[in-house]
Amino acid sequence: NAGVIQTPRHKVTGKGQEATLWCEPISGHSAVFWYRQTIVQGLEFLTYFRNQAPIDDSGMPKERFSAQMPNQSHSTLKIQSTQPQDSAVYLCASSLQTENSDYTFGSGTRLLVI
Amino acid sequence: AQKVTQTQTSISVVEKTTVTMDCVYETRDSSYFLFWYKQTASGEIVFLIRQDSYKKENATVGHYSLNFQKPKSSIGLIITATQIEDSAVYFCAMRAFNTGNYKYVFGAGTRLKVIA
Repeated sequence: NAGVIQTPRHKVTGKGQEATLWCEPISGHSAVFWYRQTIVQGLEFLTYFRNQAPIDDSGMPKERFSAQMPNQSHSTLKIQSTQPQDSAVYLCASSLQTENSDYTFGSGTRLLVI
Repeated sequence: AQKVTQTQTSISVVEKTTVTMDCVYETRDSSYFLFWYKQTASGEIVFLIRQDSYKKENATVGHYSLNFQKPKSSIGLIITATQIEDSAVYFCAMRAFNTGNYKYVFGAGTRLKVIA
C-alpha cells in the first residue's frame, strides 16, 4: 500500500494562474479530506468527501477554490486566479468511514504563488 | 462549535526523560474522539494514539500514553523514555461522535525538541 499519494509535491504559480492539486486516497478508504497548513493558521479544514459525494465544504474559500472527486481513486483541489495568500501546504487525508478512524495523510503539495 | 487548544508552543527535554504535552478542548457533544498526530521535520503527519470519550481507561500505545481528564476537557500526551527521533510537532485533534461528519478540528501544535 503506497499510502495517500499527492501530486505534485511542489508547485510554483504566478499570481492569477490556476493550480490543480491531485490526491489518490488509500484503496478502500471512502472518506477523503483536504486541509491547508500555514505557519499562521495551522491546519485548516477545507472540504471532505464521503463515497465521492461532497459532505462538508465549510472551510473552502468560496470564490476561487473548488474540489471534486470524480471517482473513488482520486480527488482534485483547484484554485483559480491564485493569490500570494494561497501559498501553503495542501494536505489530503483519507480514512475508513467509521467515526473512530484515524486519518492517513499524504505528503502534501507545497504551493508557492509568486 | 468545537475548539482544540494547545497552549505549549514548544518544549525541550533531555533524551530518555518523560514529557507531557497539554491539550484542552471544547465541545457540546457528549461523546467524541480525541487523537494525537506527529509531524516530522520532513512534513509527514502520522497518527499516534486515540482516546474515545466514553472510555475511562487512558489509551496507551508503545511509549505513548494519554492522560484523559474528561471533567477538565483535557487530553494530555505523555511520551516516556524520549528519543531524539521523537523531535517533531505534535497535534491534538477532536472529532464529534455520531454526527456523520468525520472532519477533525486540530490544535495549533506543540513543537518538541529532544536533546542528547
